[in-house]
Amino acid sequence: EVQLVQSGAEVKKPGESLKISCQGSGYSFTSYWIAWVRQMPGKGLEWMGIIYPGASDTRYSPSFQGQVTISADKSISTAYLQWSSLKASDTAMYYCARILAYCSRNTCTTRGFDYWGQGTLVTVSS
Amino acid sequence: QSVLTQPPSMSAAPGQKVTISCSGSSSNIGNNYVSWYQQLPGTAPKLLIYDNDERPSGIPDRFSGSKSGTSATLGITGLQTGDEADYYCGTWDNNLNIVIFGGGTKLTVL
Repeated sequence: EVQLVQSGAEVKKPGESLKISCQGSGYSFTSYWIAWVRQMPGKGLEWMGIIYPGASDTRYSPSFQGQVTISADKSISTAYLQWSSLKASDTAMYYCARILAYCSRNTCTTRGFDYWGQGTLVTVSS
Repeated sequence: QSVLTQPPSMSAAPGQKVTISCSGSSSNIGNNYVSWYQQLPGTAPKLLIYDNDERPSGIPDRFSGSKSGTSATLGITGLQTGDEADYYCGTWDNNLNIVIFGGGTKLTVL
């Protein structure tokens, strides 16, 4: 059974750093892209970026480039999303999801996000 | 404001059929696969449709997807109260080089 299990909820202060995780199981972790998706309170879904753990190939949405870092440790089938300096506007639910996709150097063909983690709620407040 | 346009809300009675639209352009829906997601309150999104019209295993055939030109549609027949949720369409955008989602449609079954 394919599963993505995310780390637990976090409460942080502005300016603090944070790294949340997403551990995959039940499939070949290095053979599928993993995406991170933000959902701010009461709002819709926003694609942040993707990583291919087999090659550490990472693509970012321009809206999030430079704001977050996506990484993966294939030895433990885990993807990460990290911030070096949180802002109150980073308060949101963050989902990881396996994405059916193939990417060339300049573009991707995406077919759907077939498995999702349960979400990690990040609250940033002074 | 989302690049993909969905109606913010829809409602229908149990047993009825509803169609949710997702309108885009040639840089996204017109030349890429569309997928659809159901998000029940307080839960993670769930894939309903991928590759425009394919259902993952375990998704009942009450759910269907279609695409024509730069628009896509999610159909739900035999509505149940358990179908009350937010529904999102998604696709790749060739100009923005990102995955984009519609703003979501809140479906009420009353």
